[in-house]
Amino acid sequence: GESVGLHLPTLSVQEGDNSIINCAYSNSASDYFIWYKQESGKGPQFIIDIRSNMDKRQGQRVTVLLNKTVKHLSLQIAATQPGDSAVYFCAEILPSNDYKLSFGAGTTVTVRA
Amino acid sequence: NAGVTQTPKFQVLKTGQSMTLQCAQDMNHNSMYWYRQDPGMGLRLIYYSASEGTTDKGEVPNGYNVSRLNKREFSLRLESAAPSQTSVYFCASSARAYNEQFFGPGTRLTVL
Repeated sequence: GESVGLHLPTLSVQEGDNSIINCAYSNSASDYFIWYKQESGKGPQFIIDIRSNMDKRQGQRVTVLLNKTVKHLSLQIAATQPGDSAVYFCAEILPSNDYKLSFGAGTTVTVRA
Repeated sequence: NAGVTQTPKFQVLKTGQSMTLQCAQDMNHNSMYWYRQDPGMGLRLIYYSASEGTTDKGEVPNGYNVSRLNKREFSLRLESAAPSQTSVYFCASSARAYNEQFFGPGTRLTVL
């Protein structure tokens, strides 16, 4: 079954504001996490990843934070744009699970103009 | 460099029919995967191939078979389609099992 989950299934954000998407995981042995973005009618697209020996990683307009103490990670999108409207998935890899990805159900982000 | 390609993009089957979904990648990746995605749910792993010549079951393998034809190609076969197999199917590949996966555009399958 699922070992990752997202706190909220939907998020509505005003254009220009920052977005924060949360994800909780249950297995403390998980050591690699990935955020994917999926636009309507397309396959998931890699956004950013983080390994368990880090607590923060930054990309272009995105930051992923990992809190291993409470088994929580978040994706922050700065200055949200209409093109950021999509479904966002967090996924984890468990070494004990043959390194297979386990996906959460996703958060749908809608950007208001 | 096309990345991961899938054919067909859309397919409608009748219950009991068979078909094969094709997937190819041109990134010289070792690992390939098949997922299904149902409304409101994340992706669920059907089968994967950690390297050429190997295949293993994922979370939901029943009703499916796979073939890793060569390093580039990984096909998914439905021998006797059922309405419960109506879904969007994604193929993905990664350089190794412990790397980010790159996804194809998906195949939308409807079984009547």
